[in-house]
Amino acid sequence: QKEVEQNSGPLSVPEGAIASLNCTYSDRGSQSFFWYRQYSGKSPELIMSIYSNGDKEDGRFTAQLNKASQYVSLLIRDSQPSDSATYLCAVNMMNTGNQFYFGTGTSLTVIP
Amino acid sequence: GAVVSQHPSRVICKSGTSVKIECRSLDFQATTMFWYRQFPKQSLMLMATSNEGSKATYEQGVEKDKFLINHASLTLSTLTVTSAHPEDSSFYICSAPSAGGTDTQYFGPGTRLTVL
Repeated sequence: QKEVEQNSGPLSVPEGAIASLNCTYSDRGSQSFFWYRQYSGKSPELIMSIYSNGDKEDGRFTAQLNKASQYVSLLIRDSQPSDSATYLCAVNMMNTGNQFYFGTGTSLTVIP
Repeated sequence: GAVVSQHPSRVICKSGTSVKIECRSLDFQATTMFWYRQFPKQSLMLMATSNEGSKATYEQGVEKDKFLINHASLTLSTLTVTSAHPEDSSFYICSAPSAGGTDTQYFGPGTRLTVL
């Protein structure tokens, strides 16, 4: 079992819709969770971090964390074509010295 | 957020030569930096953890004699790809944990290596 799993997609949504991205992780003791966006040919950029169960909102983005079920999700409201990218879920697992485990990423396409 | 730079952004070299890539934390100190490799349409693969003042820790399957890492200061780590071959062509990205007690990783802009 991979440490962090994501549906690779591709996921396509129409402009203005909500895009829902999901991620599961294996280490129940994980404490820190991150969503990164990566455009083709570029390095990942941080979108959101979440540490506690529940929802965390930042503009059009909402991260959701459920430690009991070991999943974290990212919702993008009012999706825009510029949101088209690969979204990487990252988990900082316990006692790994700040080492991140990345999912394989979900490719999102927002259709105008 | 914290700023991490990489140099060069793109390099093309002949097979058999060595290439050095620099990773710098510009506005914070990083005792640890990470080096990743990403092949087209694949996810990030952690190659090694660079530790200031000590030896790097390499992931399984990564040749430490081929990918030399030096973390000479609290703001600089270098990755040298020795005797590069076409199969080493990839996107190399470094990252560093931010300062201030958080563990957020910030990525450099990446280095595109093409070995002819």
